[in-house]
Amino acid sequence: GENVGLHLPTLSVQEGDNSIINCAYSNSASDYFIWYKQESGKGPQFIIDIRSNMDKRQGQRVTVLLNKTVKHLSLQIAATQPGDSAVYFCAENQAGTALIFGKGTTLSVSS
Amino acid sequence: DSGVTQTPKHLITATGQRVTLRCSPRSGDLSVYWYQQSLDQGLQFLIHYYNGEERAKGNILERFSAQQFPDLHSELNLSSLELGDSALYFCASSVVSLVDGELFFGEGSRLTVL
Repeated sequence: GENVGLHLPTLSVQEGDNSIINCAYSNSASDYFIWYKQESGKGPQFIIDIRSNMDKRQGQRVTVLLNKTVKHLSLQIAATQPGDSAVYFCAENQAGTALIFGKGTTLSVSS
Repeated sequence: DSGVTQTPKHLITATGQRVTLRCSPRSGDLSVYWYQQSLDQGLQFLIHYYNGEERAKGNILERFSAQQFPDLHSELNLSSLELGDSALYFCASSVVSLVDGELFFGEGSRLTVL
């Protein structure tokens, strides 16, 4: 079936670098996407969302880019900090009644 | 703190047994979603309830069932447990039925089947 996936299972960066986490989705009918962060032992936390009528949205130190042509989503984290170390999931709105998550990318930030 | 409460936090049981996981949504939220997260796996959508009614089903096994009560809390029942059912089970809530905003997740219930 169609699902949301991530390109890389792990990403290691140095503190202060910019991080880019990628996600490919296959359901062209999806119109709403969210990035979640999950720290060890905790539930996922909302980072930022974007609707299909937008191609970019910015938050505090984070930016989400949506390329509907190639069905690609990315999360950019500026000036990555050790506290950003976590698993990052992208999720898509499927049929309007559930969020379907990909497998996640583990971001490790070394100082 | 998301405002979503899940109990128990940890549960250890044996194969063949039955367990019930409980979720209290954020105050005012009418939707409850259940997800399963196995080791090294993403979050698998199980089921969605809105104001007491089932709205969507994902990859939920027939051995699993759920319900949402009039006070809006929800329970996920897992029966005839197998080793492979060991996982983190998350509940999330939102105000509306359609997914059009943030889902607030609880801290999860960690189930270990021995």
